[in-house]
Amino acid sequence: AAGVIQSPRHLIKEKRETATLKCYPIPRHDTVYWYQQGPGQDPQFLISFYEKMQSDKGSIPDRFSAQQFSDYHSELNMSSLELGDSALYFCASSLSGAGEKLFFGSGTQLSVL
Amino acid sequence: AQSVTQPDIHITVSEGASLELRCNYSYGATPYLFWYVQSPGQGLQLLLKYFSGDTLVQGIKGFEAEFKRSQSSFNLRKPSVHWSDAAEYFCAVGEGGTGFQKLVFGTGTRLLVSP
Repeated sequence: AAGVIQSPRHLIKEKRETATLKCYPIPRHDTVYWYQQGPGQDPQFLISFYEKMQSDKGSIPDRFSAQQFSDYHSELNMSSLELGDSALYFCASSLSGAGEKLFFGSGTQLSVL
Repeated sequence: AQSVTQPDIHITVSEGASLELRCNYSYGATPYLFWYVQSPGQGLQLLLKYFSGDTLVQGIKGFEAEFKRSQSSFNLRKPSVHWSDAAEYFCAVGEGGTGFQKLVFGTGTRLLVSP
């Protein structure tokens, strides 16, 4: 069965650079969530989208932005990267109405040097 | 605001022994509760969830969890641990009502399985 696809798997950037992370939800899923998991920490909710509109916002820095496109894939754009942005970024998708079940991707490991 | 506490950072269990991972939550209404497992290099995988009804829920891989409202707990159990169960386990509370919008995670418990 198709799963949530995230790309790239690994990304190395330097301070003050920009990065773009991509998330392809499970087919027919209309809701996407982004989470950030720092080293040794629990996942933190960043932002979510439903039907291409932002549905909720968590602890996402102003330097980050995200959007969901017409094919429901989502991109997380990160600018002016800082060392503290080094983390595993998870994307999850769900089908609205089916409600509760989130399917997570394998994550993108971002290292900021 | 909702919060989740997993008091055990690390737990070591012998293979074949029973397991219980603790989870306590803070939420005003009936919570949506979840347990996820994260194996090294992999994404989070849902083990089981509780919304309503029977307070003892069965999940995948032989795991179960019991919702105890009086104790605000949702502990994860397995009667016999396998070496492949070694992973990080996260308890989470769902926010946002019936079509919940996001999860609040606990800090995780790392399970080590000894031979």
